Amino acid sequence: GAVVSQHPSRVICKSGTSVKIECRSLDFQATTMFWYRQFPKQSLMLMATSNEGSKATYEQGVEKDKFLINHASLTLSTLTVTSAHPEDSSFYICSGQTLEGSTDTQYFGPGTRLTVL
Amino acid sequence: KQEVTQIPAALSVPEGENLVLNCSFTDSAIYNLQWFRQDPGKGLTSLLLIQSSQREQTSGRLNASLDKSSGRSTLYIAASQPGDSATYLCAVKIRLDSNYQLIWGAGTKLIIKP
Repeated sequence: GAVVSQHPSRVICKSGTSVKIECRSLDFQATTMFWYRQFPKQSLMLMATSNEGSKATYEQGVEKDKFLINHASLTLSTLTVTSAHPEDSSFYICSGQTLEGSTDTQYFGPGTRLTVL
Repeated sequence: KQEVTQIPAALSVPEGENLVLNCSFTDSAIYNLQWFRQDPGKGLTSLLLIQSSQREQTSGRLNASLDKSSGRSTLYIAASQPGDSATYLCAVKIRLDSNYQLIWGAGTKLIIKP
C-alpha cells in the first residue's frame, strides 16, 4: 500500500512555543489530507481537512488560528501548533487520500506524539 | 449524530484462542465500515473494508461482518497469535454535505499472551 510519513515522530516543547509537524505522501499524490488528534483511550477526532492549494476546512471546536495547516503540494501538508499549551499534548495523525479505481482511499501516517511541558 | 462504540476497551487472551471484537454505530446510513490495526509508533493499517451493501469480508484469519440494520460489526480473529497484539479500531464512512468523513471508535486494545 501507499506510504505516508510524519516528522517528527515525537516532540517535547515548552509551553508557549510553536511546533510544526510534517506529513508527506511518499509514493502517491494526495489530493486531500486529513489531520486527526487522538487522546489516550479515545477515538481519533478529525481536526481539519485540507485540499492542495486551498484553505483547510476545520471541524467545529478546532481553532484555525491555533492549528495552522498548510497544504502546499500534493505530497506535503504541515500542521503548526502555535503557542502550545499542556492541553495540546496529544497524538497527532495525518492521512493522505487518493482515488483508487472509483474509491477514495486514505493512508495514514505513523503519528506524532506531542508533549507540552 | 453518528457515534461509534467499541466493546470491550481491552481484551487479553491466551495464544491460539478465537476471539471477537465488537463495533456498534448509531446511524445505519453509512457508506462503508473499516477495521484498522494500530501499532505503537506505526501508522494505521487497514485490515478489512465492508461496503454498505456487503455482509462480510475475509482476509486470512480475519473475518469482519456487517449488520447495518442493527448498527453492528464484528471482527473475528481465528487462532490468535502474539503478533496480533495491537489496538483495533473500527470506523464508519459517512456522507457529510458534499464530502465523506470517517467516524471512529475508541478502539479495543488486544493482548495475546504467549
